[in-house]
Amino acid sequence: DAGVTQSPTHLIKTRGQQVTLRCSPKSGHDTVSWYQQALGQGPQFIFQYYEEEERQRGNFPDRFSGHQFPNYSSELNVNALLLGDSALYLCASSPGLTWETQYFGPGTRLLVL
Amino acid sequence: DAKTTQPNSMESNEEEPVHLPCNHSTISGTDYIHWYRQLPSQGPEYVIHGLTSNVNNRMASLAIAEDRKSSTLILHRATLRDAAVYYCIPLNSGGYQKVTFGTGTKLQVIP
Repeated sequence: DAGVTQSPTHLIKTRGQQVTLRCSPKSGHDTVSWYQQALGQGPQFIFQYYEEEERQRGNFPDRFSGHQFPNYSSELNVNALLLGDSALYLCASSPGLTWETQYFGPGTRLLVL
Repeated sequence: DAKTTQPNSMESNEEEPVHLPCNHSTISGTDYIHWYRQLPSQGPEYVIHGLTSNVNNRMASLAIAEDRKSSTLILHRATLRDAAVYYCIPLNSGGYQKVTFGTGTKLQVIP
């Protein structure tokens, strides 16, 4: 079992560009959540996807959008990148909407110059 | 959302027990108390969760105060691999909620 995988591992973009991050959930999991973790801070919840729909959203602007595919994998898109978007982006999966156990991927480190 | 308060950092000697406290005085009656930890350069990993009773698993024990306004994560014998940031998170068992990690407690284990 590969667990939660994310790609790419690192990414460098410039202000104003757009970025797409990808996540494959753990086998048997159908729910994917995305988090942003700035340096020295705890992860901040962006949104959660279940049955290909966004079910819950944190306090993030509309520049942050996502998608879930029929195979339960997910993408996080960020438009019009700002310097402040530089962070570690984490994906977590779980079976159904339960919060009993979230499995996290290793994250994608995004640097915006 | 329930607010949590944890010490910024703690130290422990290797092979000694560690008690990591968390205050969650505004927790609702249906919120479970979840603990996650994040090792350096890794994503968070689940440690344990509980509602009212004390809970044990192979990684740790969770002691929950009778009034549920605080809890303590207990590592019975700290190892160097336990050096991580530990997060206490009140969560309902269902979905449709915003998860707040907070800043957690950074545990340093001294050889």
